[in-house]
Amino acid sequence: KAGVTQTPRYLIKTRGQQVTLSCSPISGHRSVSWYQQTPGQGLQFLFEYFSETQRNKGNFPGRFSGRQFSNSRSEMNVSTLELGDSALYLCASSLISGRGGNEQFFGPGTRLTVL
Amino acid sequence: GQQLNQSPQSMFIQEGEDVSMNCTSSSIFNTWLWYKQDPGEGPVLLIALYKAGELTSNGRLTAQFGITRKDSFLNISASIPSDVGIYFCAGVNYGGSQGNLIFGKGTKLSVKP
Repeated sequence: KAGVTQTPRYLIKTRGQQVTLSCSPISGHRSVSWYQQTPGQGLQFLFEYFSETQRNKGNFPGRFSGRQFSNSRSEMNVSTLELGDSALYLCASSLISGRGGNEQFFGPGTRLTVL
Repeated sequence: GQQLNQSPQSMFIQEGEDVSMNCTSSSIFNTWLWYKQDPGEGPVLLIALYKAGELTSNGRLTAQFGITRKDSFLNISASIPSDVGIYFCAGVNYGGSQGNLIFGKGTKLSVKP
């Protein structure tokens, strides 16, 4: 079974631009969560989508948004990029139901650099 | 945001030595997860724990879910060079919404051959 895939793997943008990142979950997984990883703050939860609905949201400004499609694929968007948005953005998918439902499986991440 | 206290921050050990790291929290968790992350990659799930007191092994790795539900530890026995990486603990808030993992800051492990 293929793992979580994220595209693109690397991205360079300038301040003020916007960016869209894509995530395809493991087949059969309906929950997709997004995290931001930086050296200073570590792994921080952005939001989680399940059945095309945002179920949970972390403490990030409204410039960070996301959506999920009917095939469970998800995108996240960051508008008006700031230098501090430079980070590794990780997507994780999970089954939700059953004993292993809380186990999240991560993709390789998208490395975003804002200049 | 809420974070777990993970220690130690880093370890530099000799190949063959055993390693122990732990996470503590002021909150109760109903699931503890341990991940390993290699440079430039996403975290890989090593062990999942679901019940207070549960002790689970995965090869040379052993992890335990603390009785109070507020802590967990991970042991690696007979370390080898490929154990190098950053190890993260993560908890799911008891009664909280699924999909929101709370992560520790990580333990960076270096192994000297």
